Amino acid sequence: DTAVSQTPKYLVTQMGNDKSIKCEQNLGHDTMYWYKQDSKKFLKIMFSYNNKELIINETVPNRFSPKSPDKAHLNLHINSLELGDSAVYFCASSLRGRPGETQYFGPGTRLLVL
Amino acid sequence: LAKTTQPISMDSYEGQEVNITCSHNNIATNDYITWYQQFPSQGPRFIIQGYKTKVTNEVASLFIPADRKSSTLSLPRVSLSDTAVYYCLVQDAGNNRKLIWGLGTSLAVNP
Repeated sequence: DTAVSQTPKYLVTQMGNDKSIKCEQNLGHDTMYWYKQDSKKFLKIMFSYNNKELIINETVPNRFSPKSPDKAHLNLHINSLELGDSAVYFCASSLRGRPGETQYFGPGTRLLVL
Repeated sequence: LAKTTQPISMDSYEGQEVNITCSHNNIATNDYITWYQQFPSQGPRFIIQGYKTKVTNEVASLFIPADRKSSTLSLPRVSLSDTAVYYCLVQDAGNNRKLIWGLGTSLAVNP
C-alpha cells in the first residue's frame, strides 16, 4: 500500500550509459515531481508535471528527460550519464500542485555513476 | 522570489526543546511556509505548515511573526528518534509555483 514508489532503489552504472528511473503514486494526485539531492543534502527540484503536462522545468541538462504516460506515473530518463549525476533522486506527488499543498515523497533512488 | 536560510546543524539532548529558525526575507503575500523532516535513507515527510501566527500539531509547533520574514519550528522534548534533517519550504505562489527549499538543518539529539 505504498503511496509513492520508485524503482530501482539503487542504481550503479558506468559513465556514458543511459538509464531510467520509474515512479508511481497511488494517491490519486494530479501533480508529480522529480528532485535531486546531492551529498550535502541539498534538495533541488528538477521537474513537475500536472496531469501529464510539464509545469516546472528547472535548469537541468537536456540529458534528463521526464515522461508521464499518465498522471499516476512520472519516469525519468537520463542519457549519457556523468559522474556529477551521482545523487539520490526523489519522486514526489501532491494533490493539485497548488501552493502550500503537502508533498508526498518516495523512498529515493540512489544513483552512482562510476 | 523568496530565498530561505536556516542553520546547517544543531545539537541537542533528549528531553530538551529544540527551535530551528528559517529566514525568508522576500516571502510574498500568498506564500505558505512548510517544514519537512528527513531521516537517513528516506524521503522527506511533512511535519507542519503555517501562514501566520502559531500552528501546533501532535508533532511540533510553528511560530511565524507578523512580518512573516522568518519562521521557527519548535520540537518539544526531543528524543533520539528526532535526529534528522529539517527543511523549510516556501512555495512562491506568484512565480510559476516555484518551490524554494532551505538547505536543511541537521539536528543531532544526544542521550
